[in-house]
Amino acid sequence: RKEVEQDPGPFNVPEGATVAFNCTYSNSASQSFFWYRQDCRKEPKLLMSVYSSGNEDGRFTAQLNRASQYISLLIRDSKLSDSATYLCVVRPGAGNMLTFGGGTRLMVKP
Amino acid sequence: DTEVTQTPKHLVMGMTNKKSLKCEQHMGHRAMYWYKQKAKKPPELMFVYSYEKLSINESVPSRFSPECPNSSLLNLHLHALQPEDSALYLCASSQEGDPRETQYFGPGTRLLVL
Repeated sequence: RKEVEQDPGPFNVPEGATVAFNCTYSNSASQSFFWYRQDCRKEPKLLMSVYSSGNEDGRFTAQLNRASQYISLLIRDSKLSDSATYLCVVRPGAGNMLTFGGGTRLMVKP
Repeated sequence: DTEVTQTPKHLVMGMTNKKSLKCEQHMGHRAMYWYKQKAKKPPELMFVYSYEKLSINESVPSRFSPECPNSSLLNLHLHALQPEDSALYLCASSQEGDPRETQYFGPGTRLLVL
């Protein structure tokens, strides 16, 4: 079983749609959780951290369920510019290392 | 300011060449990383430097040689690479010791080995 699992997609959605991505992680001791966005041929960029109480940043909402070891990202009112690969990232322990999911590709169409 | 810079942006090298990739950050981060990323795959950790000392080497072949001259700079020396080493090489940095902090990536060097 992979340490961090994501549906690879692609998710093809029309502009204005709401889309949700899910991610599961295997290490119950994992400490921190993040969503990164990666555009084609670019570097991963931090989209948002994920907090236990859930958090929102504009059109983006992240949720964490520690009991189920499950993380989600909800994007409302999708824009063409949201087209990218979304990486679920977990810090498994107290050290520096991050574990990356395989990424979920989103394509928003006019 | 969360900027990490990398040079060069693109590099083409033959299997007998020696080249170096460079990375710089001025965020006061004391942890720096090299990753390799192939197309449609997530980044794969190669090396971690903590307080300018190599702390993790993920069983990377010796044809890749990292160097951390000071707290802001990280180099990756390349020698006798293989075509399968062609990939995007990403540098990242982070604060040390705070689990809430994450890593910030540079734009990467796209390497082609012929």
